[in-house]
Amino acid sequence: LAKTTQPISMDSYEGQEVNITCSHNNIATNDYITWYQQFPSQGPRFIIQGYKTKVTNEVASLFIPADRKSSTLSLPRVSLSDTAVYYCLVGLSGSARQLTFGSGTQLTVLP
Amino acid sequence: DGGITQSPKYLFRKEGQNVTLSCEQNLNHDAMYWYRQDPGQGLRLIYYSQIVNDFQKGDIAEGYSVSREKKESFPLTVTSAQKNPTAFYLCASSILLRSGRGKDTQYFGPGTRLTVL
Repeated sequence: LAKTTQPISMDSYEGQEVNITCSHNNIATNDYITWYQQFPSQGPRFIIQGYKTKVTNEVASLFIPADRKSSTLSLPRVSLSDTAVYYCLVGLSGSARQLTFGSGTQLTVLP
Repeated sequence: DGGITQSPKYLFRKEGQNVTLSCEQNLNHDAMYWYRQDPGQGLRLIYYSQIVNDFQKGDIAEGYSVSREKKESFPLTVTSAQKNPTAFYLCASSILLRSGRGKDTQYFGPGTRLTVL
């Protein structure tokens, strides 16, 4: 299973763009990169998933360089409600193989 | 309204007692999972199941048991053999793509917080 490394915590101010980078040096050819968001005492919520280049949805963008050894989650114009833990996962899609959740990145958005 | 439900939200148990946590999904997902989360930590996989009547151990299966008699249900029993069961328990489900490629995201329930008194 590909191991991921993320910053433990990040602070930002409301209205700023936040970029959280995840390293996954031993990502396998078929692995997808998935990001989840978790609020206290709730289950994680899917944010975005990608395989290469750039993926964008209504809440975030995911940038993946050509070597796929890292990825960056970009949250545009964060608000206080974006304060949460963000997890980067790398794993084989389409199977029940376990995905490893690391400790995640605690994002704190300040007023 | 599709989704995953877990019950109860809070559960208290005396030492030496077994307790069963419920997880139900109406998403028609093949795979279901149980995770444990301790304060300030990530999620650790306890058990997972790909099809009915089959399940596999995860990283921390000792002291836990599961069953998968129906596609929609994946109950977790925390036995008295689990030395430190106080934690937040999360159930998840996902589709399975036989091709091995594609998007496979896990959908999580709201969790059950278990406290051993």
